[in-house]
Parts: sequence; C-alpha cells; structure tokens
Amino acid sequence: SQTIHQWPATLVQPVGSPLSLECTVEGTSNPNLYWYRQAAGRGLQLLFYSVGIGQISSEVPQNLSASRPQDRQFILSSKKLLLSDSGFYLCAWSAGKRARETQYFGPGTRLLVL
Amino acid sequence: AQSVTQPDIHITVSEGASLELRCNYSYGATPYLFWYVQSPGQGLQLLLKYFSGDTLVQGIKGFEAEFKRSQSSFNLRKPSVHWSDAAEYFCAVGAGGNEKLTFGTGTRLTIIP
Repeated sequence: SQTIHQWPATLVQPVGSPLSLECTVEGTSNPNLYWYRQAAGRGLQLLFYSVGIGQISSEVPQNLSASRPQDRQFILSSKKLLLSDSGFYLCAWSAGKRARETQYFGPGTRLLVL
Repeated sequence: AQSVTQPDIHITVSEGASLELRCNYSYGATPYLFWYVQSPGQGLQLLLKYFSGDTLVQGIKGFEAEFKRSQSSFNLRKPSVHWSDAAEYFCAVGAGGNEKLTFGTGTRLTIIP
C-alpha cells in the first residue's frame, strides 16, 4: 500500500532563517506531488505541484521554492523565512495526471516563525 | 477557472442529529467534486467524490453528498452525527485536463452531547 511521510512534524524557526521540509511517498511511482499551506481560517492554498522529476509549477509568488530531486521526494524550501510563512504545510500525492484523481495527504508539518 | 464556496465557517450540532454542510462551486462544465475531512492537527482524508453518473454519492463513515447541477451545489449530509465526526470539512473542485484541485475555506463541525 501507499504511504506518505512528512518531516519534521513541528518546526519553530526565527525570521530570516532557511527552511527545508521534506515529503516522501512510498508504494507508487511517478505520482503527482503537491505542497499546500493551511493558515488559520483560510483553508488550503496550493503552493506548488509537480508532475515529474524536476518539473515544478508555482501557484503563488512568494519566498518559497520547491524541488523534486527524485521521483517520490518533494522538498519545500526557503532561503529566508518571513513571519507570514507560519502555518500548517501539507504534502499530497495523486496517482494520475488529471484532477479527477484522489489526492492523498500526509500528516503535515506545523511551522511557527518567530 | 474553477472556484468553490463553503458558506458556513462553523456549525454546531447535537450528537445524533442530522447534518448538512453546504458547498457551492463555479465551473462551466461538469466538475469533479470532492469532500475531505481533517481531524485536528492531521492531514486530510477523502470522504467521497463525484465524477459523473448517479448524483447521490455514498462515502465513508456514513456520509453522502448530492450533486445538483441546477444549484451548482454538492452538499454533504449525514443522518445522525457521532462525537467522532467533530472535525473540519473541506469541499474541493477539479476540472478536466487540470491536475489541480481548488479547495474551499472549510467548515468546522462541533458536536455537543
């Protein structure tokens, strides 16, 4: 069966520090991968998605970036965190390349920028 | 582009009472519609989804949803809620040929004894 992992589970970082969040998927190949941010009372905001290694689409201009160095690995990064980067970050995967495919979510990373 | 609205930010119901959570979408053709549930501090879990065919869709945990094209709605229902149903519920819409889903802002469900 397929599983999705995210780490760390919780992170407290000072403003201006770098960030690296990792997401890995097991039990499937060539998945679509997604990064979402959930801020309090604002629902889910799609940040990035990837249909293959090295292919990243950005949805929201910001100081975050994403990379997909391996088929089942998706990394969210920042060179300098802002207070507004605080939130709950969710990674998801889907098996197919169409919107009808179910997205399966990881447990999330809670980021607090102080 | 597609969009989705969940008009109720917070709903409180008594245990054993019926539940209906509202979802309205905007898209020119038949959309793909989803309901997800999120327990506190957790990821999202799929409850049910609609692509085509029968407009009444059954999901997990006793939930169902009905697609109404004339009202651009996909409301989630449960005849009798349990305390374990307390969570946040998200409606999402996808469009053909597009890998992305658009999520609503969510409805938080509180269950009182």
